[in-house]
Amino acid sequence: SQQGEEDPQALSIQEGENATMNCSYKTSINNLQWYRQNSGRGLVHLILIRSNEREKHSGRLRVTLDTSKKSSSLLITASRAADTASYFCATQMTGNQFYFGTGTSLTVIP
Amino acid sequence: DTGVSQDPRHKITKRGQNVTFRCDPISEHNRLYWYRQTLGQGPEFLTYFQNEAQLEKSRLLSDRFSAERPKGSFSTLEIQRTEQGDSAMYLCASSLHSVYGGTYEQYFGPGTRLTVT
Repeated sequence: SQQGEEDPQALSIQEGENATMNCSYKTSINNLQWYRQNSGRGLVHLILIRSNEREKHSGRLRVTLDTSKKSSSLLITASRAADTASYFCATQMTGNQFYFGTGTSLTVIP
Repeated sequence: DTGVSQDPRHKITKRGQNVTFRCDPISEHNRLYWYRQTLGQGPEFLTYFQNEAQLEKSRLLSDRFSAERPKGSFSTLEIQRTEQGDSAMYLCASSLHSVYGGTYEQYFGPGTRLTVT
């Protein structure tokens, strides 16, 4: 079974609004990464947060990590139509494998 | 460097045939991963290499699947006796890993879409 689970499965918002998606995982991790995938395309890395970090920012992205709750959240501020995509969290455990969740499908309505 | 490339981009084959996919990673990356992704799902880990050594294989990977990275550069993934259930997108990714810094982000290729008829 996959390690990470994103919530919600689908999210639809108006352009300019903020989008928040969550990821929960089951076991201890080395790091957690968020990726974006446009329909039928490869994945693009967004941000990496290590297990000893609690929050990271990159442009309009903000990621938090709560290792005690085994969860992470991705916030996209001031969303744009171009942000429409599927977003996946990937956890890397000590065994070096990466486990991806099933993703959150984000639709930003212009 | 133009990123991770995969070849072919699409492959249609008949059940029972063998297929081979190629992945060229970013040149300075020492780790290379293979994933399989089906519609509506996240990528599923298959195997990974550090340089030329195959370090882990998914327990879900049947013995019809084999991967190589002979010189620590490009990699091939072969599927023998293909089945309709093998139809999926096969993704390759590469990353840099160091003993001190751990593993950095993965860079994905565009994928090879396999259709088994």
